[in-house]
Amino acid sequence: GQNIDQPTEMTATEGAIVQINCTYQTSGFNGLFWYQQHAGEAPTFLSYNVLDGLEEKGRFSSFLSRSKGYSYLLLKELQMKDSASYLCAVTDSNYQLIWGAGTKLIIKP
Amino acid sequence: TAGITQAPTSQILAAGRSMTLRCTQDMRHNAMYWYRQDLGLGLRLIHYSNTAGTTGKGEVPDGYSVSRANTDDFPLTLASAVPSQTSVYFCASSGTVTDTQYFGPGTRLTVL
Repeated sequence: GQNIDQPTEMTATEGAIVQINCTYQTSGFNGLFWYQQHAGEAPTFLSYNVLDGLEEKGRFSSFLSRSKGYSYLLLKELQMKDSASYLCAVTDSNYQLIWGAGTKLIIKP
Repeated sequence: TAGITQAPTSQILAAGRSMTLRCTQDMRHNAMYWYRQDLGLGLRLIHYSNTAGTTGKGEVPDGYSVSRANTDDFPLTLASAVPSQTSVYFCASSGTVTDTQYFGPGTRLTVL
């Protein structure tokens, strides 16, 4: 079956750096997405990786290793507004998105 | 631009009743999707439409139906609601099936 694994919850301190990992086993691979979802709101797009390596976008970076079925989202200079759930999703061979359950990130002052 | 809108925002429904959740996008996206999101589970695809006039079944289609008569609208119908359909429903769209999906604000549905 298809599977996306992420930690359920993480805690970090304001101003620090946090890395959220995602491992996947899917039938085919056509790209990996990271979304941010604040409580009670819709998911919003953060990043997309289809080739191995690091994609940097401001305070957020996303890394992909296709051979290892692994990605991470790196958040730098954490702010209180970064408290949210972070969703990892993989596009499979049928171009359908397979979603992880999400990682709830709690930021403490 | 409005992007994607959903209606209603929330609803309480008696079991056995029918209901249609509405979704409209103004981005001229070809592909549209319906997901449900339950605590502790990832987003699960209910139905999708790759282009106007076509629809397909996702991971959890039972008890739901959709139609795609035009590019902008993608309504989701529950013919006879059951309590297990209590969830938050998100509509999403993308330019094509390989593009980034953008989400509507969601509909919180409670079936009693």
